[in-house]
Amino acid sequence: DIQMTQSPSTLSASVGDRVSIPCRASQSVSTWLAWYQQKPGKAPKLLMYEVSILESGVPSRFSGSGSGTDFTLTISSLQPDDFATYYCQQYNSYPWTFGQGTKVEIK
Amino acid sequence: EVQLVQSGAEVRKPGESLKISCKGSGYTFTNHWIGWVRQMPGKGLEWMGIIHPADSDTRYTPPFQGQVTISVDKSNNIAYLQWNSLKASDSAMYYCARRRDAYNFFDYWGQGTLVTVSS
Repeated sequence: DIQMTQSPSTLSASVGDRVSIPCRASQSVSTWLAWYQQKPGKAPKLLMYEVSILESGVPSRFSGSGSGTDFTLTISSLQPDDFATYYCQQYNSYPWTFGQGTKVEIK
Repeated sequence: EVQLVQSGAEVRKPGESLKISCKGSGYTFTNHWIGWVRQMPGKGLEWMGIIHPADSDTRYTPPFQGQVTISVDKSNNIAYLQWNSLKASDSAMYYCARRRDAYNFFDYWGQGTLVTVSS
């Protein structure tokens, strides 16, 4: 199985900060990578897929980059609504696997 | 509007059986695979398996093979996840999610069903 590693597990930031959330795959997943946002007590929400294609309705302050094994989710200017946990998921190889998540908390 | 609505929270004792449900609406249910994802308390997301409602083709990930059963009632647009003999370690939130056509990620999610197994 492909292991997805997200480190750090927690990231402290302030409103207005530019935030980068890394995700690393144990082997190449090409560009078959999705990002989800999960708020406490809520289901995950799809943010983007194929590394950088924003899901409909997702604000343009979110962007994605990378290919192969290293990926980054970037929030250009952190908003109060963005404090949440973010998960990456590879869908290049079965079984599809998630990272352990990075929680973005208020500094 | 695409919606996946899951059944409510459940409390069971170890050894008991359980079947939880996920009802889809707002789209053609038989056109999209439905997956189940486990989230243990304070932990990340684990994909358990997936079913195609049109023909009940089902796949399980290795940790969950033989531990749960995924099924579907396509007449009523409902997917199910069931256990024959629950363990305390099955206590978790369980989400159903729709696989986007031609991709292998999940674009719509149910609200989750909390399962608590305790003696």
